Amino acid sequence: GDSVTQMEGPVTLSEEAFLTINCTYTATGYPSLFWYVQYPGEGLQLLLKATKADDKGSNKGFEATYRKETTSFHLEKGSVQVSDSAVYFCALKSQGSNYKLTFGKGTLLTVNP
Amino acid sequence: ETGVTQTPRHLVMGMTNKKSLKCEQHLGHNAMYWYKQSAKKPLELMFVYSLEERVENNSVPSRFSPECPNSSHLFLHLHTLQPEDSALYLCASSQIAGGGAQETQYFGPGTRLLVL
Repeated sequence: GDSVTQMEGPVTLSEEAFLTINCTYTATGYPSLFWYVQYPGEGLQLLLKATKADDKGSNKGFEATYRKETTSFHLEKGSVQVSDSAVYFCALKSQGSNYKLTFGKGTLLTVNP
Repeated sequence: ETGVTQTPRHLVMGMTNKKSLKCEQHLGHNAMYWYKQSAKKPLELMFVYSLEERVENNSVPSRFSPECPNSSHLFLHLHTLQPEDSALYLCASSQIAGGGAQETQYFGPGTRLLVL
């Protein structure tokens, strides 16, 4: 079945540091890939997505590239801010599935001033 | 801002109570979802409604009863819950079109439920 594995947290960085959160997946065909972010006390917000191989999703300085050959979708940001402190979820939706999202367990990021 | 609202945001209930969670989406979508988010566990999909018909029920105990009266509203009726049901319950919506894999789910802020 489908699965998503993302790096265990928590991740603690200083402001302006470079961020990478690894995400790899297992799925048949060509799934769509997503990163969601959950700020403290809130629900999930879509951060970015990519729907085919080599696509790059980007938003708010975050980027992730859909790598079919390595089945990966790593999240990166060049310079994090305190306001980026949140839990980040990688997710996939299988090709041909109308609605089923498979989520990773989430990675807690804390950015210190 | 997300277009999906949930009420109440917080709920405390005893094991013998009956309560309902409400979700409303303002995005014109045709599918709605209930998820359960527990500490240190991946999000669990509970129910899916597409065009107001239930299309998924992931072995959820009968003490959780969903209702979808129209494409904009979704309820989760709760009765005789257990303490282990304490969690964040998230509602989401999406537009399903022709079986493609590109539809994005948009989430509400969640209801934080505590069962005593």
